[in-house]
Amino acid sequence: DVKVTQSSRYLVKRTGEKVFLECVQDMDHENMFWYRQDPGLGLRLIYFSYDVKMKEKGDIPEGYSVSREKKERFSLILESASTNQTSMYLCATADSRGYGYTFGSGTRLTVV
Amino acid sequence: RKEVEQDPGPFNVPEGATVAFNCTYSNSASQSFFWYRQDCRKEPKLLMSVYSSGNEDGRFTAQLNRASQYISLLIRDSKLSDSATYLCVVTLNAGNNRKLIWGLGTSLAVNP
Repeated sequence: DVKVTQSSRYLVKRTGEKVFLECVQDMDHENMFWYRQDPGLGLRLIYFSYDVKMKEKGDIPEGYSVSREKKERFSLILESASTNQTSMYLCATADSRGYGYTFGSGTRLTVV
Repeated sequence: RKEVEQDPGPFNVPEGATVAFNCTYSNSASQSFFWYRQDCRKEPKLLMSVYSSGNEDGRFTAQLNRASQYISLLIRDSKLSDSATYLCVVTLNAGNNRKLIWGLGTSLAVNP
């Protein structure tokens, strides 16, 4: 079973703080993704990575950056958190062909 | 027009009922199709893939109509535990990557 682990289930941060969301997978998948999910807007892709040190912008990358130093770990960084970044953040992985898409359990981030 | 459209519902049905959801997609080059299930405050999980020949998994049947560009999910003999949001997903090839396009989901509530 692919296991995708997100470091925190719930997080509360202050406006302007730098926030790190971590995602670790144990199945050697090449592709990793960060989404946010909001009511009425659905799942929106922020960034993805298809290899170590590689990253690609998704549909809504503004205000975010990512880091993939190791194959199993993909980090999402909010350089200066804002209240409009309050959301559910979901990490996902897939194999090199894009199959076997599996999500982590999500991090519900509140920025106050 | 949205790339993937679903009726948001909610669908309220009694236990034992049969319920069907449709999902339409706009890009005729779409290649693969899936239904995901998402429980409240949880991550999406793959329910089933959808093939042109149709496929069945127990009480669940998925169909694809490429000519009309829609996919459907039929749930027979609904259980309380089927209450969830059902997400339609369509994939497109985007260069070397496979892009997933998510619908906003259809909410199902099965009542005793």
